[in-house]
Amino acid sequence: DVKVTQSSRYLVKRTGEKVFLECVQDMDHENMFWYRQDPGLGLRLIYFSYDVKMKEKGDIPEGYSVSREKKERFSLILESASTNQTSMYLCATLWDRANEKLFFGSGTQLSVL
Amino acid sequence: GENVEQHPSTLSVQEGDSAVIKCTYSDSASNYFPWYKQELGKRPQLIIDIRSNVGEKKDQRIAVTLNKTAKHFSLHITETQPEDSAVYFCAAMLDYKLSFGAGTTVTVRA
Repeated sequence: DVKVTQSSRYLVKRTGEKVFLECVQDMDHENMFWYRQDPGLGLRLIYFSYDVKMKEKGDIPEGYSVSREKKERFSLILESASTNQTSMYLCATLWDRANEKLFFGSGTQLSVL
Repeated sequence: GENVEQHPSTLSVQEGDSAVIKCTYSDSASNYFPWYKQELGKRPQLIIDIRSNVGEKKDQRIAVTLNKTAKHFSLHITETQPEDSAVYFCAAMLDYKLSFGAGTTVTVRA
């Protein structure tokens, strides 16, 4: 079974704090993604990475950055958290480009106060 | 990028009846269309998918149809059961990125 682990299930931060969300996968997948999920908006892509040290912007990258120093770990960084970044954040990995199935982590519910 | 629209946003059905969710996509180059089910407090789980070279696919009580010309695809659930109550998301893949619809909350009434 594919395992995609997000370090925190719930997180509460203050406005202006720097926030790190960590995602680790154990299947040697090259492709990793960060989505945020908001009611009525579905899942929106923030950033993705096809390889180590490689990153590309998704549909809503403003206010976020990412880091992929090792293949198994993909970090989402909120440089200065704001209340409108309160959301559920989901990490996902793609098996490979021939098998497009996306596997999700269990999510991190972030509240910015 | 790809834009996926999903309807309806909520759907209430009597147990045993069928449920249909419809999605449209904008980019004709999209080539893979999965459906995810998300139960309360859990991660989205893939339930069925279809590729652009296939028109229909069925897996027990669920089926998906794809009309490439019209750029729309649908999820059909027959003989609904209480455990089918969840949020369902359609998605379309373009350049190995998945874009999702806004979701449909399905409630199956006993």
